[in-house]
Amino acid sequence: DSGVTQTPKHLITATGQRVTLRCSPRSGDLSVYWYQQSLDQGLQFLIQYYNGEERAKGNILERFSAQQFPDLHSELNLSSLELGDSALYFCASSANPVGAIEAFFGQGTRLTVV
Amino acid sequence: TQLLEQSPQFLSIQEGENLTVYCNSSSVFSSLQWYRQEPGEGPVLLVTVVTGGEVKKLKRLTFQFGDARKDSSLHITAAQPGDTGLYLCAGASWGSNYQLIWGAGTKLIIKP
Repeated sequence: DSGVTQTPKHLITATGQRVTLRCSPRSGDLSVYWYQQSLDQGLQFLIQYYNGEERAKGNILERFSAQQFPDLHSELNLSSLELGDSALYFCASSANPVGAIEAFFGQGTRLTVV
Repeated sequence: TQLLEQSPQFLSIQEGENLTVYCNSSSVFSSLQWYRQEPGEGPVLLVTVVTGGEVKKLKRLTFQFGDARKDSSLHITAAQPGDTGLYLCAGASWGSNYQLIWGAGTKLIIKP
């Protein structure tokens, strides 16, 4: 158990809809990262938050947004969903924003857009 | 743009054989991590290396950080079916604003 909790574990929705994925980081970790992983692909970095503020953006679509709340949990919002958005979405947290960053991953949310 | 190239992309070998997976870059990293991911699960951190030339051992797995901190290798001795998975390397450096730069992964299958 990594200590990172993601909900829901599975999500099936229709094209055009909007969903929210939730992540609770490990206790004490201030950094949260969101990743997308399509079938048999590597991890695509979407966005990072550190202590409530956006720290870095990766290949995140304009239809996607995220935020980190004062209690450090984070949400990833995906809107106007397309079939190609079907993927595993992972959240990771780390204690160190610099130096030897060690990321601890949640179990992921499997999103299926039909 | 910093890149981490992993090789091979795919490796299928028999139980008991040895193998090495490589993670190479033209950039210097302050630290490098190796993760293993099983299907449908999140990546799990195996090791972090921070010093050039550093060697770390985790049972049958040996990790090495290059002297120049630009590359790393993962060597598995006497591979077992339980070693099957996707192996990912990730590096962090000031040049990337301490973002984790990820390799594309090596898919390893160990056949009994």
